[in-house]
Amino acid sequence: DADVTQTPRNRITKTGKRIMLECSQTKGHDRMYWYRQDPGLGLRLIYYSFDVKDINKGEISDGYSVSRQAQAKFSLSLESAIPNQTALYFCATSDPSPTGGTDTQYFGPGTRLTVL
Amino acid sequence: AQSVAQPEDQVNVAEGNPLTVKCTYSVSGNPYLFWYVQYPNRGLQFLLKYITGDNLVKGSYGFEAEFNKSQTSFHLKKPSALVSDSALYFCAVRDRGSTLGRLYFGRGTQLTVWP
Repeated sequence: DADVTQTPRNRITKTGKRIMLECSQTKGHDRMYWYRQDPGLGLRLIYYSFDVKDINKGEISDGYSVSRQAQAKFSLSLESAIPNQTALYFCATSDPSPTGGTDTQYFGPGTRLTVL
Repeated sequence: AQSVAQPEDQVNVAEGNPLTVKCTYSVSGNPYLFWYVQYPNRGLQFLLKYITGDNLVKGSYGFEAEFNKSQTSFHLKKPSALVSDSALYFCAVRDRGSTLGRLYFGRGTQLTVWP
């Protein structure tokens, strides 16, 4: 979805390096998410944020941190990258339905990260 | 606890034949259910969702899914497959009673449609 962009699209780094992945959205959504995708494991939630002042850990937050700089920007950092963080990383956004029902998530194109 | 199972890692069908990609779920309350598709080197694209009402949900690209509460299933279907439908398909569930909004994804099913 072109409304959700991620930079970089590909990154190769070495063990111990600090890496930041960035996500920007023009959908005007309050909620943003970071997932990682590993073959055969589906998508697992790393962190999520319901607004600029609200950040929550997901199921696999160890080794990661996030920053919600603005409504439109949500960054994921690996303070000291390790090889098992090699994965495809996705950012997503959503907004609660006005009727209080479900909110559909919209995904960015992904960042392929390789840690050597 | 919420979870989603996609029992088939791979589904292969011939073009023009009907296709089914299976999904079963477990939630503590009533579910919202989703299907997403991922084409190579692309992000996930929303296909369809079940909120309430009619158990048969129609979505993008001619796909539909049937919600079956008694079997806790939400299988994705298409009457006539196209080669361009070949992609990775993910089922996801959210607990209707949760305010957190987070989705739980299955592991994905690789659909291959051969000419």
